[in-house]
Amino acid sequence: NAGVTQTPKFRVLKTGQSMTLLCAQDMNHEYMYWYRQDPGMGLRLIHYSVGEGTTAKGEVPDGYNVSRLKKQNFLLGLESAAPSQTSVYFCASSYSTSGSWGEQFFGPGTRLTVL
Amino acid sequence: GENVEQHPSTLSVQEGDSAVIKCTYSDSASNYFPWYKQELGKRPQLIIDIRSNVGEKKDQRIAVTLNKTAKHFSLHITETQPEDSAVYFCAARSTGTYKYIFGTGTRLKVLA
Repeated sequence: NAGVTQTPKFRVLKTGQSMTLLCAQDMNHEYMYWYRQDPGMGLRLIHYSVGEGTTAKGEVPDGYNVSRLKKQNFLLGLESAAPSQTSVYFCASSYSTSGSWGEQFFGPGTRLTVL
Repeated sequence: GENVEQHPSTLSVQEGDSAVIKCTYSDSASNYFPWYKQELGKRPQLIIDIRSNVGEKKDQRIAVTLNKTAKHFSLHITETQPEDSAVYFCAARSTGTYKYIFGTGTRLKVLA
């Protein structure tokens, strides 16, 4: 089991560029989440999904879009990157009908710098 | 909106002493309260969790207590060791929304 994986691990963008972060999980989890982590700010929820084809906004959704076309994948898109989006991005997943109830499993993170 | 406050933001203890971190949540519909440990440059890892139908849970040197009436929960680490040094996050998950709201973290330093 790979658990939760994220691609890429590091990325540098120029202001205005776009990119997509990919999260994949092999635990058959129903729920998936995207967080950003800034120094002293903890983990803030960007968007989340409670099932294939569904998405919902979290605490800080502006400037981001997401899609969950397949149960195992959750994509986070930045259409026009801004320096304020420089952060570490974590993906997480949780809940399977046959296993874990509440525990979230985190990916290794993506360190994004926007110049 | 939903909010989780965490205190203190930094905590230094001598090796062997106990450490206590406290969190308060605002959403009375919260029913699951995990604690995560994050080492520098690593992902958060679950160390203990508690559901709303339980008042206390213990796992070796780590324990969590929950007071639903006051809407607060605490992490207790006994006999601290240098490897306990990390940032600790509390979180609360609400019934129905499936959202996890995290506290801002506590940087624990265990001094040898």
